[in-house]
Amino acid sequence: AQSVTQLDSQVPVFEEAPVELRCNYSSSVSVYLFWYVQYPNQGLQLLLKYLSGSTLVKGINGFEAEFNKSQTSFHLRKPSVHISDTAEYFCAVSLGPGNTGKLIFGQGTTLQVKP
Amino acid sequence: ETGVTQTPRHLVMGMTNKKSLKCEQHLGHNAMYWYKQSAKKPLELMFVYNFKEQTENNSVPSRFSPECPNSSHLFLHLHTLQPEDSALYLCASSQDQGRETQYFGPGTRLLVL
Repeated sequence: AQSVTQLDSQVPVFEEAPVELRCNYSSSVSVYLFWYVQYPNQGLQLLLKYLSGSTLVKGINGFEAEFNKSQTSFHLRKPSVHISDTAEYFCAVSLGPGNTGKLIFGQGTTLQVKP
Repeated sequence: ETGVTQTPRHLVMGMTNKKSLKCEQHLGHNAMYWYKQSAKKPLELMFVYNFKEQTENNSVPSRFSPECPNSSHLFLHLHTLQPEDSALYLCASSQDQGRETQYFGPGTRLLVL
């Protein structure tokens, strides 16, 4: 069975500092990988996704993530964060082609950007 | 209006009440999903509909009853809920089931007293 582990429940960081949010997954088959962001009182918004091809994926708002198959990781990075990046971030996986559409989410990481 | 909308945004109900949550997507998608988001727990998939047919029920108690009259609308009928059912209920849609990107609505915050 697939599972997703987000290694940090909270990440405090100062504005303009770099940040990395860690995500590890387990699966015996190929997967699609996603990062979603949830701002307070809102639904989830897709930040970026890895389906195939280049292992470095660029998303919205200056975020990027790197797929590492050998380490089964998909860590999210941003070189310089803003106050507006304060939100909950979710890593998710789904099975590859022909899957049922089921997304399996990690427990989330709260990014707290301080001035 | 674009994207995925959900109403109401907030709902308080007693354990004996019957209420319904509504989701509407304006994206021309064929698959729709209900998720439950509880505090300190990962999002849980509840139901999947593809072309109006239910294709997945993730062992959800029968006090939750979904309805999908067409590909644009999804309802979640609630009756005799328990306090532990209090959560944020999120609706999502994708082009087809199995397509990689799901688009989420803002959710309905439910409190069961």
